[in-house]
Amino acid sequence: NAGVTQTPKFRVLKTGQSMTLLCAQDMNHEYMYWYRQDPGMGLRLIHYSVGEGTTAKGEVPDGYNVSRLKKQNFLLGLESAAPSQTSVYFCASRQPGQGYEQYFGPGTRLTVT
Amino acid sequence: AQSVTQPDIHITVSEGASLELRCNYSYGATPYLFWYVQSPGQGLQLLLKYFSGDTLVQGIKGFEAEFKRSQSSFNLRKPSVHWSDAAEYFCAVGRQTGANNLFFGTGTRLTVIP
Repeated sequence: NAGVTQTPKFRVLKTGQSMTLLCAQDMNHEYMYWYRQDPGMGLRLIHYSVGEGTTAKGEVPDGYNVSRLKKQNFLLGLESAAPSQTSVYFCASRQPGQGYEQYFGPGTRLTVT
Repeated sequence: AQSVTQPDIHITVSEGASLELRCNYSYGATPYLFWYVQSPGQGLQLLLKYFSGDTLVQGIKGFEAEFKRSQSSFNLRKPSVHWSDAAEYFCAVGRQTGANNLFFGTGTRLTVIP
């Protein structure tokens, strides 16, 4: 039982490049989340999903897109990376009705130059 | 609207000393409250949570937290800190409805000195 996994762990992009971050969970959770973590700002929600085929905007969605084609996977895309998107990205999941805590992945450190 | 304040950005304690990390929340209903810990280069791990009942909750790694409704606080405590406790600690308030349910404070970084 791996829990929540994220790939890649590190990535460096040049401004304007695109990439996709993959989150996978093996706990059969309905809900999945993407956060970004910046110094002094805690975790801010980018997008989330309440089930396969659904997505919703969080607090800071601009510049990101997401997809949830399979229940166990939640993809975060950057179509044209900007230096302001340099951050650590965390994925999380939870199952409604089973406690309220979210389970987090190990994070992806992204640098945009 | 819900919000969480962690007034201490950085705290330094000596190994073996006691620790208290402060957390104040704002929420219109009965909150669900959480403390997460993030070790360097790692993801967030749940330390403890409060939903209802006994206002003093015990967590992993010897941590505890006390919910004080009158003060809108949920402070984290440990009687004797170990060097391995050096990490960043996040308080979060959860609401009972909706999928977007957790709101995090900005974190407190703990340094432990010998």
